[in-house]
Amino acid sequence: QQQVKQSPQSLIVQKGGISIINCAYENTAFDYFPWYQQFPGKGPALLIAIRPDVSEKKEGRFTISFNKSAKQFSLHIMDSQPGDSATYFCAAINTDKLIFGTGTRLQVFP
Amino acid sequence: GAVVSQHPSWVICKSGTSVKIECRSLDFQATTMFWYRQFPKQSLMLMATSNEGSKATYEQGVEKDKFLINHASLTLSTLTVTSAHPEDSSFYICSAPRFGGTQPQHFGDGTRLSIL
Repeated sequence: QQQVKQSPQSLIVQKGGISIINCAYENTAFDYFPWYQQFPGKGPALLIAIRPDVSEKKEGRFTISFNKSAKQFSLHIMDSQPGDSATYFCAAINTDKLIFGTGTRLQVFP
Repeated sequence: GAVVSQHPSWVICKSGTSVKIECRSLDFQATTMFWYRQFPKQSLMLMATSNEGSKATYEQGVEKDKFLINHASLTLSTLTVTSAHPEDSSFYICSAPRFGGTQPQHFGDGTRLSIL
């Protein structure tokens, strides 16, 4: 069964702190693992993505850590800011279909 | 900037009306586009895959006659909600893989559909 499990469901972080969101998958045939950021009333915006043959990818304050053997990957947001408050979705791509995680609502307080 | 444009962003109409939503890829051609539905505080649910020049592929449980998809050109896909009813009220979002195939998809800004 194709599924991506995401945790936590919600996360509260103080400004300047590190936000960590975790995902786990079952299907080993996934080609790509993107993360999306969604603000209320907007479509998801592609944040960062990683291939399964790479263990880590960093773009600015956002880092994906990928553990292929454990079938897990995570998003780390360094120096979290109030403007990062949004819902984050992990996803996995099989052929051309996106399988989404259930989402994490992040709130960053000043 | 945006690479996938969706229009309209918000539509309110009476029950029984048909509503058309457009999805355009702005600076690339997309042989495949995707349509999602999202309920409040939930994840995105894939409704169908729009294929340029051929029939759309619908996910299990999605009514083909209710949600008509047309992908007439390499930059435009449309979703028509036919004879819409209040239970069709939702947030509809389209996407396309900018670099094709297994590359991550880029999403439009969604259409909030409210049926009275």
